[in-house]
Amino acid sequence: GAVVSQHPSWVICKSGTSVKIECRSLDFQATTMFWYRQFPKQSLMLMATSNEGSKATYEQGVEKDKFLINHASLTLSTLTVTSAHPEDSSFYICSAGTGLADTQYFGPGTRLTVL
Amino acid sequence: GENVEQHPSTLSVQEGDSAVIKCTYSDSASNYFPWYKQELGKRPQLIIDIRSNVGEKKDQRIAVTLNKTAKHFSLHITETQPEDSAVYFCAALSGYALNFGKGTSLLVTP
Repeated sequence: GAVVSQHPSWVICKSGTSVKIECRSLDFQATTMFWYRQFPKQSLMLMATSNEGSKATYEQGVEKDKFLINHASLTLSTLTVTSAHPEDSSFYICSAGTGLADTQYFGPGTRLTVL
Repeated sequence: GENVEQHPSTLSVQEGDSAVIKCTYSDSASNYFPWYKQELGKRPQLIIDIRSNVGEKKDQRIAVTLNKTAKHFSLHITETQPEDSAVYFCAALSGYALNFGKGTSLLVTP
């Protein structure tokens, strides 16, 4: 149980284009989903928290207009990196939980490379 | 906000020895402390967690201890095996967010 999937697993795009990453909880309903970014050999940095049907809460320093998050259902959240630039290249990982104070289960991550 | 410090950043042990990783946190309201294992290019996998009403928890070769007064918690791996080699992250839940330590790269040599 508690399986979280992400799609795509990797993507290469040109600078200036937008990329959408999907995060799905496959066998449970995730009231809360979290988006993290991880640069090589670094820790996971929380970008934003999304709750189904409401606006995402962004961490300080994360541009909400650049990283669009939609949590349309209890099993799906999407992160769109708009007008991507090479510095946005990173490993993006989502996690899902059934409550804010509960265990988080991580997706397999999406490696984004912006040329 | 919560600040989680993790030490050491790298740890090399021989197979069969024990490994200990320590973390400290700053928010006294934190009440949930998970440990994750991450292999290169893969997702973090929850290996053990502890809540603030418990001082110690054990699962086979892995144990976690929590000292709420001192605001530190530790991961103990006994009888280490080469497949234990990975990066380990501690985290502390503060409010709605998990705050991660910087990670410990554990290498178990045969």
